[in-house]
Amino acid sequence: DAKTTQPPSMDCAEGRAANLPCNHSTISGNEYVYWYRQIHSQGPQYIIHGLKNNETNEMASLIITEDRKSSTLILPHATLRDTAVYYCIARNNAGNMLTFGGGTRLMVKP
Amino acid sequence: GAGVSQSPSNKVTEKGKDVELRCDPISGHTALYWYRQSLGQGLEFLIYFQGNSAPDKSGLPSDRFSAERTGGSVSTLTIQRTQQEDSAVYLCASSPFRTGAETQYFGPGTRLLVL
Repeated sequence: DAKTTQPPSMDCAEGRAANLPCNHSTISGNEYVYWYRQIHSQGPQYIIHGLKNNETNEMASLIITEDRKSSTLILPHATLRDTAVYYCIARNNAGNMLTFGGGTRLMVKP
Repeated sequence: GAGVSQSPSNKVTEKGKDVELRCDPISGHTALYWYRQSLGQGLEFLIYFQGNSAPDKSGLPSDRFSAERTGGSVSTLTIQRTQQEDSAVYLCASSPFRTGAETQYFGPGTRLLVL
């Protein structure tokens, strides 16, 4: 899996959009960008993934740059329950273990 | 249907005892993973099943750890002669194992405390 780099922490005001960046400058052509989050004392939760195109689901949007060297996870209207550690992963093959880096600790404040 | 479930949610045991942890994957998911997470740490991979076979057991920390999966569904992780350093959250994940991108869905974990 390609190395990813994320800021260690971010704050966001409740109701505002949270934009979480991730750098993956060595990503290869067949590696997807995955985002998971882990809320305190819970198992990791899948959020979204993408290859080249921007993606949106009920939880978030994923914006991938044209050169694929970075991406941004967008939580459009952050709530207090979105406070968690967010992990960006670049991976390809099924059957491989997940490896989480340090992630970004997002604190949503009232 | 339901997501990945694990039982028990919490387990307190005495050093030297054996424990069994159970994972029920999402129905139809052929791949199943066990990880553990110590307090404030990242995920530590333990073992991976594809169907009932385990092509990758590389993460099992010692021969006190074993896992099996029957019927391509439920999996049990057994820790024999538990030690205090085994205390952690044990997480199970399953995936449909499609080629290319593969999304792993996690259960809530079993919190094991060895006294």
